[in-house]
Amino acid sequence: AQSVAQPEDQVNVAEGNPLTVKCTYSVSGNPYLFWYVQYPNRGLQFLLKYITGDNLVKGSYGFEAEFNKSQTSFHLKKPSALVSDSALYFCAVLNQAGTALIFGKGTTLSVSS
Amino acid sequence: DAMVIQNPRYQVTQFGKPVTLSCSQTLNHNVMYWYQQKSSQAPKLLFHYYDKDFNNEADTPDNFQSRRPNTSFCFLDIRSPGLGDAAMYLCATRVLISEKLFFGSGTQLSVL
Repeated sequence: AQSVAQPEDQVNVAEGNPLTVKCTYSVSGNPYLFWYVQYPNRGLQFLLKYITGDNLVKGSYGFEAEFNKSQTSFHLKKPSALVSDSALYFCAVLNQAGTALIFGKGTTLSVSS
Repeated sequence: DAMVIQNPRYQVTQFGKPVTLSCSQTLNHNVMYWYQQKSSQAPKLLFHYYDKDFNNEADTPDNFQSRRPNTSFCFLDIRSPGLGDAAMYLCATRVLISEKLFFGSGTQLSVL
């Protein structure tokens, strides 16, 4: 069965520093991987996805993610964090049937000024 | 402009009293989803529709039902809410040729 794991409940970074939010996956077949962000009292917003091709995927708001097949990871990154990036981040994988997303438990990112 | 709209934003119900949550979309997407998100947990898929075809997850309690009268609207009915059903309920849509989901802002359900 497809699954993703986010090993960190919270990540704290200072504004201007690079950030990484970690995600590892376990899938049968080729992984379809996603990152979503959730701001307080809001629904989830799509950031980026990896289907195939370049291992470095660029997304919204300056975020990017690196797909690493040997480490079964799909970490979210940003070179320079903003206070406004503070939110809850979810990694997700498309289920085997291709019909729905399975989410990780989320990582809270806190960026301090 | 909001493309997936969920009403109400907050819903309070009593233990055992039926409640209905609604979702509408202006995207004309053929797939609609309901997810349940409890505090500090991953959103959990309850069911989804592909057009009018209903797909229930194996572990979704019988207490939860859904209706999709047309492409634009989808409803989540909780027949006898328990305290454990208090959660954020998220509606999402998708066009089948894309894997990207569009989410509404959610309905926060409280059960007293």
